[in-house]
Amino acid sequence: AQSVTQLDSQVPVFEEAPVELRCNYSSSVSVYLFWYVQYPNQGLQLLLKYLSGSTLVESINGFEAEFNKSQTSFHLRKPSVHISDTAEYFCAVKGYGQNFVFGPGTRLSVLP
Amino acid sequence: SAVISQKPSRDICQRGTSLTIQCQVDSQVTMMFWYRQQPGQSLTLIATANQGSEATYESGFVIDKFPISRPNLTFSTLTVSNMSPEDSSIYLCSVAETENQPQHFGDGTRLSIL
Repeated sequence: AQSVTQLDSQVPVFEEAPVELRCNYSSSVSVYLFWYVQYPNQGLQLLLKYLSGSTLVESINGFEAEFNKSQTSFHLRKPSVHISDTAEYFCAVKGYGQNFVFGPGTRLSVLP
Repeated sequence: SAVISQKPSRDICQRGTSLTIQCQVDSQVTMMFWYRQQPGQSLTLIATANQGSEATYESGFVIDKFPISRPNLTFSTLTVSNMSPEDSSIYLCSVAETENQPQHFGDGTRLSIL
């Protein structure tokens, strides 16, 4: 069975400060990893993905995440956040032949 | 990625009634899914919608309560039957090109039952 843990349910941070949203997973098979963002009254949007290759993946809006197999982690980082980054962030894991499993989510609040 | 349209975007329904939610995709996709997101919580997979055959339901979800249709590769419906206040949630449709590719989501249907 797979599971995803997002240790921080809420993360408040000031604008232009760095942020890290933590994600840890467990799985008995090889996994694919994803981060999704959900803005108010919208569905989920794919932020970035790790399928294979380089363990550091980047999004077009400045977020990055690093797959660490030994620590079973896929933490999301951004060096300088904007007000518009305020949203709910979900980490998701998919093992080969298994369903997607979503973490409980982290609410990022960027303060002026 | 595919453009996914869900209808209705929100609704307020009476206890005991049923509501059908539509999911339309602008291109043919192999896989379609239905999720429930209860208030303040994460996503739970209800079922995989299979084209031309019965949906595959996850533990805790049954066809009588959540009948699903998928007549072709671009369209699916989810019905929430005999609704109760506990069914108040966001219902989301998602699609994927293949099993191990990312899923892409519609904007969801926000359902409140009085």
